[in-house]
Amino acid sequence: GENVEQHPSTLSVQEGDSAVIKCTYSDSASNYFPWYKQELGKGPQLIIDIRSNVGEKKDQRIAVTLNKTAKHFSLHITETQPEDSAVYFCAATLGTDKLIFGTGTRLQVFP
Amino acid sequence: DAGVIQSPRHEVTEMGQEVTLRCKPISGHNSLFWYRQTMMRGLELLIYFNNNVPIDDSGMPEDRFSAKMPNASFSTLKIQPSEPRDSAVYFCASKPAGLSLTQYFGPGTRLTVL
Repeated sequence: GENVEQHPSTLSVQEGDSAVIKCTYSDSASNYFPWYKQELGKGPQLIIDIRSNVGEKKDQRIAVTLNKTAKHFSLHITETQPEDSAVYFCAATLGTDKLIFGTGTRLQVFP
Repeated sequence: DAGVIQSPRHEVTEMGQEVTLRCKPISGHNSLFWYRQTMMRGLELLIYFNNNVPIDDSGMPEDRFSAKMPNASFSTLKIQPSEPRDSAVYFCASKPAGLSLTQYFGPGTRLTVL
């Protein structure tokens, strides 16, 4: 089955700097890669996603890149703000409803 | 619009007791998912339903766990008997029909089994 690895497990940045979180997946047939943000005491919320027919997608300060050959995808947050502090999860799926989540990255943005 | 609703938000029980977690998906969504989140194992899919029918329950840890979806607006996850290792945050999520793969998570139920 699919396996998703996520790095780093924790990431600390200064406000205004960029943050990058990386994930690798095992099944080359996976074709949908969402990123979820989980704030303290809340459920994960989708922030951006990408399908396998696209190499990059951007939404304001957030971007996701996908390298199908290497089977990895990354989340890029530019101009980080304290409210970006949260746990971020990547996930992958073969196009079914079953998402396989990475282990999460705790991002701390210091003012 | 109301999001996914879960109850209770917190549950503390003693080992051996029955626990029932409840979920109301977003109106009009036809897929429902139960996840468990722990520090050790992360976010794990336990079971999911499509049009009230269980599709994949391979993540259900053992026979002590059962889930039902009697109608499109309600689902339960039951643990009987509960054990301390069941302590976790349990999330319910729902997804609309069609091409969207976005899952909408509820606020979770924090379960503590003493």
